Amino acid sequence: QQQVKQSPQSLIVQKGGISIINCAYENTAFDYFPWYQQFPGKGPALLIAIRPDVSEKKEGRFTISFNKSAKQFSLHIMDSQPGDSATYFCAASLTGGFKTIFGAGTRLFVKA
Amino acid sequence: NAGVMQNPRHLVRRRGQEARLRCSPMKGHSHVYWYRQLPEEGLKFMVYLQKENIIDESGMPKERFSAEFPKEGPSILRIQQVVRGDSAAYFCASSPTGFTGELFFGEGSRLTVL
Repeated sequence: QQQVKQSPQSLIVQKGGISIINCAYENTAFDYFPWYQQFPGKGPALLIAIRPDVSEKKEGRFTISFNKSAKQFSLHIMDSQPGDSATYFCAASLTGGFKTIFGAGTRLFVKA
Repeated sequence: NAGVMQNPRHLVRRRGQEARLRCSPMKGHSHVYWYRQLPEEGLKFMVYLQKENIIDESGMPKERFSAEFPKEGPSILRIQQVVRGDSAAYFCASSPTGFTGELFFGEGSRLTVL
């Protein structure tokens, strides 16, 4: 199965709060799990990514938690800011096959 | 600007006309991917091309849609006899030969069919 399921569809968080977005996949052959950030009218841009041999990766306020046995991964945004308001896509890639499947996206709004 | 360049950024067509969307990958990238984003939906894979070769077109509608990436010039996504349901944002991404997983996206071409 090539699907990547993402939730929630939309999220409203107070400034300074934690934003959490979850994704699940089925194909255990995926070997790269990126998160992309998209602002209105722009193309998606890579935010942070993880490989399945690591359970957590942190870059500044952004953290990916990865649970290989459950086939789930999540994005945590600490101290959320209004500038983080965007659509976030999780994805799963088969780097050997040049294939990337995207989740449906989460629209995050951070209230000032 | 060495990023992925897409044009036109906005295109309006009437039903039955043809739409041509162009994509120049990042310098040094030889792999091009096209994705479609419908309003309030995610990115749906359409086609993956290398120079002069279509590698994976499993996401392309069987009719009216075609893509190419010639030896010289940009990749082109062509939609013939457009219908209202083709209205969407079409994104091109590129990657180098040594694909590590990261895709580099253009800013998209937004097609509106009247």
